[in-house]
Amino acid sequence: GAVVSQHPSWVICKSGTSVKIECRSLDFQATTMFWYRQFPKQSLMLMATSNEGSKATYEQGVEKDKFLINHASLTLSTLTVTSAHPEDSSFYICSADPSGQAEDGYTFGSGTRLTVV
Amino acid sequence: QKEVEQDPGPLSVPEGAIVSLNCTYSNSAFQYFMWYRQYSRKGPELLMYTYSSGNKEDGRFTAQVDKSSKYISLFIRDSQPSDSATYLCAILTGANNLFFGTGTRLTVIP
Repeated sequence: GAVVSQHPSWVICKSGTSVKIECRSLDFQATTMFWYRQFPKQSLMLMATSNEGSKATYEQGVEKDKFLINHASLTLSTLTVTSAHPEDSSFYICSADPSGQAEDGYTFGSGTRLTVV
Repeated sequence: QKEVEQDPGPLSVPEGAIVSLNCTYSNSAFQYFMWYRQYSRKGPELLMYTYSSGNKEDGRFTAQVDKSSKYISLFIRDSQPSDSATYLCAILTGANNLFFGTGTRLTVIP
């Protein structure tokens, strides 16, 4: 089946530094990928929709200058958390639609646990 | 108002029990309803989806949508310890965005 690979699975960084998270579709092409954030005991919150070859679409309240998204190819989207602070510590998950039929459900990566110290 | 609301639980049941997980949603225009299962520190995986109203069955799992009350349910029959996970309901909007409930953590005790 369709696989979405996310890397790294966990990362610890110092406050003020930037962290890049990669999301790859391994056996299909994805013109659109989605980035979610999940705080402990809370729901997955859609942060942004990543579009290949164009600018990402951010959800209300998500700072586009802080969460930089690049979708340079049909199999790779990256999320860069710039000038990370402890409140950015969270579980970040990407997803993509392998079938083109959104109702078939999106395939999710395994997530990246970010801890900012 | 959130698009979808879910009781976070946690929920503990003995092996073999019938489990009922429920969500409510806000917009009567929503048509696609999904249930995902998420194991700890992993991404969610799709269990089932239903379109519009009615029931859908897959093995021990039954998804139910009641559009009149904007209520969605997932039933698990003959629950097994391997069913222990967090279950998330989700709705798919017309813009193909997925919005999730909080998730209900289920533990099936052997």
